[in-house]
Amino acid sequence: GQQLNQSPQSMFIQEGEDVSMNCTSSSIFNTWLWYKQDPGEGPVLLIALYKAGELTSNGRLTAQFGITRKDSFLNISASIPSDVGIYFCAGPKDNYGQNFVFGPGTRLSVLP
Amino acid sequence: DGGITQSPKYLFRKEGQNVTLSCEQNLNHDAMYWYRQDPGQGLRLIYYSQIVNDFQKGDIAEGYSVSREKKESFPLTVTSAQKNPTAFYLCASSTQTSWGSQYFGPGTRLLVL
Repeated sequence: GQQLNQSPQSMFIQEGEDVSMNCTSSSIFNTWLWYKQDPGEGPVLLIALYKAGELTSNGRLTAQFGITRKDSFLNISASIPSDVGIYFCAGPKDNYGQNFVFGPGTRLSVLP
Repeated sequence: DGGITQSPKYLFRKEGQNVTLSCEQNLNHDAMYWYRQDPGQGLRLIYYSQIVNDFQKGDIAEGYSVSREKKESFPLTVTSAQKNPTAFYLCASSTQTSWGSQYFGPGTRLLVL
């Protein structure tokens, strides 16, 4: 079945630094989603991407839909303590897009 | 406020007992989902429902059952057939026109002793 890989698995950064993480797939996707999960809570949708090459921002977050359609990138600029959490990418399991497969997540820690 | 509620936040059960996790939404969403999350892993789909009285198995449905008698409610039963039920369970919902924009509940952490 479809699988997503995320890198890095975890990262420790200083407050104020920029962050980059990515997600790769074994197959082509027509939608990429990025979610953030705070400890002990449910994930929250950050950004949705629907077109190859698309670059979308949400505040300090910017995500890109890779041209190959097999990858996506998420950047966070000027990190702050509340950026701590797990960031998941997700893509549709099939062409109907009715349910999604999630990556294993990138765990972000921000040091003051 | 509109949203998804899951109760309880923490649940303890003895091995061999069935347990039902509650999920309610007032977002008027047609689709609802149940995911399981284990430490260090992504979310894995257990069951999903696109409309009332209809539901489909996800990737790891064995040992679980669901019902969708009302649009607002999608309870999950963890049966004694589930070999390793201790996990964090997340419920989500979405509209039919935007499956990917799923709204998640706060989750229920199930511990089977």
